[in-house]
Amino acid sequence: EIVLTQSPATLSLSPGERATLSCRASPSVSGYLAWYQQKPGQAPRLLIYDVSNRATGIPARFSGSGSGTDFTLTISSLEPEDFAVYYCQQRSNWPPVLFGPGTKVDIK
Amino acid sequence: EVQLVESGGGLVQPGGSLRLSCAASGFTFSNYWMSWVRQAPGKGLEWVANIKYDETERYSVDSVKGRFTVSRDNAMNSMYLQMNSLRAEDTAVYFCVRDKSGGWYFDYWGQGTLVTVSS
Repeated sequence: EIVLTQSPATLSLSPGERATLSCRASPSVSGYLAWYQQKPGQAPRLLIYDVSNRATGIPARFSGSGSGTDFTLTISSLEPEDFAVYYCQQRSNWPPVLFGPGTKVDIK
Repeated sequence: EVQLVESGGGLVQPGGSLRLSCAASGFTFSNYWMSWVRQAPGKGLEWVANIKYDETERYSVDSVKGRFTVSRDNAMNSMYLQMNSLRAEDTAVYFCVRDKSGGWYFDYWGQGTLVTVSS
C-alpha cells in the first residue's frame, strides 16, 4: 500500500516569502499526485493535479513539480490568504485514494 | 455554478445508523464519479467511498467495508451514504465531492455535514 508523508508539519513564513512544501510517496505514484488547500472551517480546494497542472482559477504563484516519489508544491510569494493547511493526494494505486497528513503554513 | 449540499448528519449512538445525502446541481451529475471524504475533528482528510456515474462500480476504504454503502440516484441528482454499525472513530465532517472528469481527483466539494457518534 502507498504511504504519503509531508514535510515539514508546520512552515512559519511571512507574507511575500516563498513556500516550499514536500510530499513523499512510497512506493512511486508516477505522475498521479494532487495538492489541496484547506482553510479553517472550509472545504478543501483543488490547487494542482497530475503533479503540475493548476486547477481552474488557481493563481500562477502556485506551482507543482516532481515525479515518482518526491513532489513539491511551491508558492512563489505568499499572500495573506495563502496561510492554510495543504494536503497532497495520490491516485496512482487505488482504491484507496490516499491523502498525506498535511502541512500547515502559518504566519511567522 | 457547481453546488454540492450535504444533509443528514447528527448525533448517533455507537452501533446506530445514519443516512447522508448529497444534492448536486450546476453540472451533469450522471457524467461524474462521486465520492465521500471525511475529516475527523482536528485531523486530516480520509477518502471514504466512491461510486461510478452509472453505479456499476463502487469502492470504499477498508475501515468502512461491510458497514457503509454508497449509492446514487441520477434522476434526482443525488448521492447517498448509508452508515450502519457506527463507531466513535466514524465521528467526522463528511464531504460530498465530485471526482474531476477523467481524474480521481476532487474538484468540487460540499461544505460538509457533521456526524458525531457518542453515547
